Amino acid sequence: NAGVTQTPKFQVLKTGQSMTLQCAQDMNHEYMSWYRQDPGMGLRLIHYSVGAGITDQGEVPNGYNVSRSTTEDFPLRLLSAAPSQTSVYFCASSHVDSLNSPLHFGNGTRLTVT
Amino acid sequence: KNQVEQSPQSLIILEGKNCTLQCNYTVSPFSNLRWYKQDTGRGPVSLTIMTFSENTKSNGRYTATLDADTKQSSLHITASQLSDSASYICVVGGGTSYGKLTFGQGTILTVHP
Repeated sequence: NAGVTQTPKFQVLKTGQSMTLQCAQDMNHEYMSWYRQDPGMGLRLIHYSVGAGITDQGEVPNGYNVSRSTTEDFPLRLLSAAPSQTSVYFCASSHVDSLNSPLHFGNGTRLTVT
Repeated sequence: KNQVEQSPQSLIILEGKNCTLQCNYTVSPFSNLRWYKQDTGRGPVSLTIMTFSENTKSNGRYTATLDADTKQSSLHITASQLSDSASYICVVGGGTSYGKLTFGQGTILTVHP
């Protein structure tokens, strides 16, 4: 199993540009989520999904959109990038049958907005 | 506001030595407490998950403890190796929703030969 795969690994955007961060998992996990990690801060939840067709907002959802059309994929869209969105983005997945299931993280996308 | 505080922020030890990392939390209601290891440039990897009723859990040379009364946890690393150099993140789950995970800022551990 590849686990959680994120693409691209690095991206530079200009302010106002749009892009989609891709996330795919091959573990048949129901739960998928997006986090951002900034220096000196804990990971913060952006959006999450508990199954295909179901999404919900996390702690910092503004400026980001998500959709979940399949179990495997959970893309994160930045509609109009801002310098405040410069961060490292992690996708994570897990089973939902137990809150004791560990989150499986991808290796991140490092985004710089100039 | 739910918070998870980790100490120290960073730690340097010599290979072969033991160390203990601390985590204090003010998350309510409490569901579980997790420790993750994050290598530079990689995503976090789960080390342990403990529920309210568990006070110790081990994963190889990593042993986590939980005192739910004082809302404190520790991660003890035995006989450290160079590969233990990483950030260690404490995560507390509250309630019944995955959206209720609160992350600490991490402790950066550096192991020197």
